[in-house]
Order: sequence, then C-alpha cells, then structure tokens
Amino acid sequence: EADIYQTPRYLVIGTGKKITLECSQTMGHDKMYWYQQDPGMELHLIHYSYGVNSTEKGDLSSESTVSRIRTEHFPLTLESARPSHTSQYLCASSDWQRSTGELFFGEGSRLTVL
Amino acid sequence: LAKTTQPISMDSYEGQEVNITCSHNNIATNDYITWYQQFPSQGPRFIIQGYKTKVTNEVASLFIPADRKSSTLSLPRVSLSDTAVYYCLVGAYSSASKIIFGSGTRLSIRP
Repeated sequence: EADIYQTPRYLVIGTGKKITLECSQTMGHDKMYWYQQDPGMELHLIHYSYGVNSTEKGDLSSESTVSRIRTEHFPLTLESARPSHTSQYLCASSDWQRSTGELFFGEGSRLTVL
Repeated sequence: LAKTTQPISMDSYEGQEVNITCSHNNIATNDYITWYQQFPSQGPRFIIQGYKTKVTNEVASLFIPADRKSSTLSLPRVSLSDTAVYYCLVGAYSSASKIIFGSGTRLSIRP
C-alpha cells in the first residue's frame, strides 16, 4: 500500500471561498505532483515539485498554487473557488532516484464548487 | 517526454488474453516504458515497467521490440475487474522531469 494521503476526499463549497487540499506522504519521496482530472477525461499535470522549496507549473494552466515547505507535505490552494474548478484533484509522489520512478497516487479529492 | 499513441478503447471477454500496443517513435536512449492502470474515481496504479525485450510480473507482461519504438502490454486471462483505463508512459524517470499522462486505452471486459 502506498503511504500517500489526501484530505478532504470530498468537498462541496460555495463560489469565492478559499480552499486548501492537503497531500502528505510518508515515503520520503522528493518528487510530488498534482493532477486534475474530470470524470472520464485525461489526467492533466497542474503542479509538481522536485523537493523542499521547489514548485513548478505543469502542462495545464491552473489558478491554484502549491507550496513545499516540508518533504512530506504538498498542499494545493485555491484563493477564490469558482464552478470551473469543480474536478477531481489527485496527488502523487515518486522517488526519482530509483530507476522506475514509479508514481504513487493518493485517493483523490473531489471538489464541487457551487 | 516522448509522445505516445494508444488505441482509445478496446473490448474483450473474460478469460481472454488482451494485448494493448503503444507507439513511441521518438523514444530516447535513456527512456523507460511504464504502464499504469486506473479505475474510476481512483488514482492510476503502476503495473509494469521495462527498457527492452520482455518483462513479466504477477499482473502482466511487457513486450518491447529491439527498436523500442513500440511496446505491448499483455494481460493474461482477463476478468471483469480488469476493466479500466491503461496508460503508456515513456520517459527517463530517474531524472527530474514532469510526468505526463496521455489519453490512455479504455479497456472493457464483458462476461
């Protein structure tokens, strides 16, 4: 079992609210990622991090921001949620120093903005 | 990362062997080929990875020809629970690079 956890699993919130999606891993992985996925659609990389104090934007432009103050923690924040942000957000981590670079995913956070 | 091309969807029946082929013409020397499986409402799960020839684990086999421009994921004797989306990824994951998923292949298994 992968030791990567996301909270909340489900969140329904009104427009304009600030939200933070939490992601934590206990595997000591340097690399962490956030993907966004709508039902039945592709996974889109929105943020990734090589390690502490490193954050990069992914291929899909996102109004969300991320931070990486501790190795194990990679939260995603939306300052003002809108209905267009409704989606599933998946956090993942990998140990890039291993040859496989296998990604371990959390169970996801399903966000609904009314 | 090298671009990959997979069939959008495939159908099969329980007990059959399923082969999903992925094309990656621009694969680089340091690139590995990795396959993931995703069930609805869950994150993808690593299935298998290879560099060349054949790799087998308890779940699947991966066949890679000498030119490495394609690969085939083989699922032996599928069951209904193998219904999922399967993604083929190509990249040098030991380096610091972003990992991009393509469209994947939606596999449907029927009784």
